[in-house]
Amino acid sequence: AQSVTQLDSHVSVSEGTPVLLRCNYSSSYSPSLFWYVQHPNKGLQLLLKYTSAATLVKGINGFEAEFKKSETSFHLTKPSAHMSDAAEYFCVVTYTGTASKLTFGTGTRLQVTL
Amino acid sequence: AAGVIQSPRHLIKEKRETATLKCYPIPRHDTVYWYQQGPGQDPQFLISFYEKMQSDKGSIPDRFSAQQFSDYHSELNMSSLELGDSALYFCASSLAVGFDTEAFFGQGTRLTVV
Repeated sequence: AQSVTQLDSHVSVSEGTPVLLRCNYSSSYSPSLFWYVQHPNKGLQLLLKYTSAATLVKGINGFEAEFKKSETSFHLTKPSAHMSDAAEYFCVVTYTGTASKLTFGTGTRLQVTL
Repeated sequence: AAGVIQSPRHLIKEKRETATLKCYPIPRHDTVYWYQQGPGQDPQFLISFYEKMQSDKGSIPDRFSAQQFSDYHSELNMSSLELGDSALYFCASSLAVGFDTEAFFGQGTRLTVV
C-alpha cells in the first residue's frame, strides 16, 4: 500500500531564512512524487514533481526537492522564505504508470514571520 | 492555457437535499479524480475515472455517485445531504497518472450544507 508521511504539521520560519518541509513515502512500487501548495481558500497548485530523470527536482517559486530512495524521502526546500510562501503544503504519492488515486500527506502549514 | 473547470464554485444546500457538482477536465486528459477536503483536513480521495470507466474508489459514501461522460466531463451527485458533507470538493484531471505526468486541480466547489 502506498502512503506518505509529512513529519511536521506546522513549520514557522523568518522571512529570508531557509525552508525545509519533510516528507517520507512508503510504496510497494516505484513512486511518483509531487508537492502541492494550497493558499487559503484557494485550489491546489503543483510546485514540482519527481520523475526518474533527476533526483533533484526544481519547481516554481524557488522551491526544490530531492528524491532519496535510500531514505524514502522527498523533502521540500527553499533557500530563502518569502511572506507569500505562507500556505499549506501537501506531499503526494502515486504509483507508476497506472491510473490510480493520489495519496496525500496530512499537510504542513508554513508560517513566515518578519 | 485551459485548466480544470469546476462548477459551481459555491453551493449552499439544506439537509436531505441533493447536489450535483461538475468538472470539466483539461482537453485530452483521460483521467478525472474527485477529492473531498473538510475544514482543516487534507484532501481525501473519493473516486476516479479513466476513459469513462470507474478506475478507483476511495472513501465515497453510498449517498454519492459519479460518472464520466463521453466528452470526459464528470459529475458528482450527492443525495440526502448531511451537515458533515460541508467541504471543499476538488476535481483533478490528468493523463493516466504515472511518471512524468501530473494531476491538475480545479479551484474546487465549496459546498455548505445547512
